[in-house]
Amino acid sequence: RKEVEQDPGPFNVPEGATVAFNCTYSNSASQSFFWYRQDCRKEPKLLMSVYSSGNEDGRFTAQLNRASQYISLLIRDSKLSDSATYLCVVIFSNDYKLSFGAGTTVTVRA
Amino acid sequence: DTEVTQTPKHLVMGMTNKKSLKCEQHMGHRAMYWYKQKAKKPPELMFVYSYEKLSINESVPSRFSPECPNSSLLNLHLHALQPEDSALYLCASSQDNDRSYGYTFGSGTRLTVV
Repeated sequence: RKEVEQDPGPFNVPEGATVAFNCTYSNSASQSFFWYRQDCRKEPKLLMSVYSSGNEDGRFTAQLNRASQYISLLIRDSKLSDSATYLCVVIFSNDYKLSFGAGTTVTVRA
Repeated sequence: DTEVTQTPKHLVMGMTNKKSLKCEQHMGHRAMYWYKQKAKKPPELMFVYSYEKLSINESVPSRFSPECPNSSLLNLHLHALQPEDSALYLCASSQDNDRSYGYTFGSGTRLTVV
């Protein structure tokens, strides 16, 4: 079983729609959680950290459910520029390794 | 300065060549990383340096040789690579004592081995 699993998608949504997807992790000792965004042939860029209380950054909302060991990302009012691959990233306690999910592809169409 | 700078952006090399990838950051981060990413796959960790010492080698073949000359620089020396080593090589850095802020990635070197 992979340490971090994501629905690969693709999610193909119209502009203005809401899209949400999850990521599950297997190690209960996981400490830190992030969503990264990666555009085609570009480097991953930190979108947001995910906190236990949930957090929001503009149109993006991230949630963490430690009991069920998953994190989620919700994008409201989708823009064409939101089209990208969203990588779920987990850091296990006392570990340097970023554990990546395989990524969820989102395509927003006009 | 909140960037990780990688050079070159593109590199084509033959299987008998020796080349080096360079990475630089001036954020005061004391942990630096090399990742390899193949198309449509997530990045895979290769090496971790913490306070300029190699702390993790993810069983990377010896044809890849990392070097950390100082706290701001990280190199990856390449020798006798194979075509399957063609990939995007990403450098990243983080605050060593607090990784809750995430990692910052460089824009990568796209390597093609011919």
